[in-house]
Amino acid sequence: DQQVKQNSPSLSVQEGRISILNCDYTNSMFDYFLWYKKYPAEGPTFLISISSIKDKNEDGRFTVFLNKSAKHLSLHIVPSQPGDSAVYFCAATLNYGGSQGNLIFGKGTKLSVKP
Amino acid sequence: DTGVSQDPRHKITKRGQNVTFRCDPISEHNRLYWYRQTLGQGPEFLTYFQNEAQLEKSRLLSDRFSAERPKGSFSTLEIQRTEQGDSAMYLCASSRGVFETQYFGPGTRLLVL
Repeated sequence: DQQVKQNSPSLSVQEGRISILNCDYTNSMFDYFLWYKKYPAEGPTFLISISSIKDKNEDGRFTVFLNKSAKHLSLHIVPSQPGDSAVYFCAATLNYGGSQGNLIFGKGTKLSVKP
Repeated sequence: DTGVSQDPRHKITKRGQNVTFRCDPISEHNRLYWYRQTLGQGPEFLTYFQNEAQLEKSRLLSDRFSAERPKGSFSTLEIQRTEQGDSAMYLCASSRGVFETQYFGPGTRLLVL
C-alpha cells in the first residue's frame, strides 16, 4: 500500500507562473518530509524539507506547506523556470524503530515548464 | 567533486549472472543507504548502514542480494543469479546522521536480459 501518494503524474505550467505539486500521506507517524528533484539519468537532488512541527518552510523560489490534519503537503515554485522541468518526488520519514531516517517516496510528478 | 559516486553507471547482464555495484559516499557520512527505482515508481528503500553495521534490510532484499560496507567507507551491493525483474536503477545515498539530509549518487542502471 502506497504510504506517500502523488496523485498527479504530470503538471504543465507556463514560465513565470506558479507550480503547485501535491503530496498526500497515510501514516500519521511520519514526522519529516522532503522534496527531491530528479533529472533523467541522474540521482534525486534534495530540494527542501519540513519538520512536522512546522507548517511552512521557504527557500528562495521554493516553499513547502504542511497540513498535518489533512495529511497533505505541497511544494510551490514561484516563479517557475524552464530549468525546473524535472520529476519531483515527495518523501517522508518515520521517527521510531529501526526505520528511522529511511525515506519513503511517492511515485513522482513530472513538471514541465514551458517558455 | 565530493558528492556520492556510483560505479558502474550502466550494467547489462544476462539472466543468471552475478553483478556487483559500488557506492562511495560523501566523506565522513556515517549513514549509507541503498534504494531501487523501477520505471514509473519512486525510489524504494533496500538497506542501510550506520558506519560498517548493516542495520535494516527491506523485504525487497531477497537472499540473492547482499550488501557490505567494510570499514564504514564505500559499500558494495551484489546481486546473485540475476533475474529480469532485477532490472532497475540502483541508487545509493549518504547522510551525516539519522535525520540529516540524504544525498544521492547518480545511480547504476541495471538491465538483465
